[in-house]
Amino acid sequence: NAGVTQTPKFQVLKTGQSMTLQCAQDMNHEYMSWYRQDPGMGLRLIHYSVGAGITDQGEVPNGYNVSRSTTEDFPLRLLSAAPSQTSVYFCASSPTVTDTQYFGPGTRLTVL
Amino acid sequence: KQEVTQIPAALSVPEGENLVLNCSFTDSAIYNLQWFRQDPGKGLTSLLLIQSSQREQTSGRLNASLDKSSGRSTLYIAASQPGDSATYLCAVREDDYKLSFGAGTTVTVRA
Repeated sequence: NAGVTQTPKFQVLKTGQSMTLQCAQDMNHEYMSWYRQDPGMGLRLIHYSVGAGITDQGEVPNGYNVSRSTTEDFPLRLLSAAPSQTSVYFCASSPTVTDTQYFGPGTRLTVL
Repeated sequence: KQEVTQIPAALSVPEGENLVLNCSFTDSAIYNLQWFRQDPGKGLTSLLLIQSSQREQTSGRLNASLDKSSGRSTLYIAASQPGDSATYLCAVREDDYKLSFGAGTTVTVRA
């Protein structure tokens, strides 16, 4: 099993550009989520999904969109990048919402 | 709103010393609590998960305790090694989706 994979590892954007962060898991997990990690603030939940076709907002959803067309994939879209979205983004999955979370290696995003 | 605090933010110990990492949370109505390890530039690795009905969980040199009524959890790492150097995060599951994280304690084990 590859576990949870994320691409790209690093990305630099200019303000106003859009992009998609990819996340995939091969463990047949129903629950997937996106977090951002900022220095001194811990991880904060952006969006989550309890299964294919079902998504919902987390703590900090503004400026981000998600979709879940398959069990395996959960992409995160930045609609119009802003410097405040400079962060490290982590995708996680688990069999159900209350089980142990498995994290991907992260994407480090810089918005200039 | 659940607040999760980890004190101290950083800790340095000589090899062989036992590590004690603290986590406190403000709302005791939690479902479970997880401890994670994060190495620099890497993702999080789950260490232990304690259900709200449990008092402790053990895995090898790691032992985590949970006192829900006082809003505290402690992670003990016995006989620390340089390979234990990392940031340790605790997270509480307070309802069906939200996992609230602490900011972490960065541990350095000196050889």
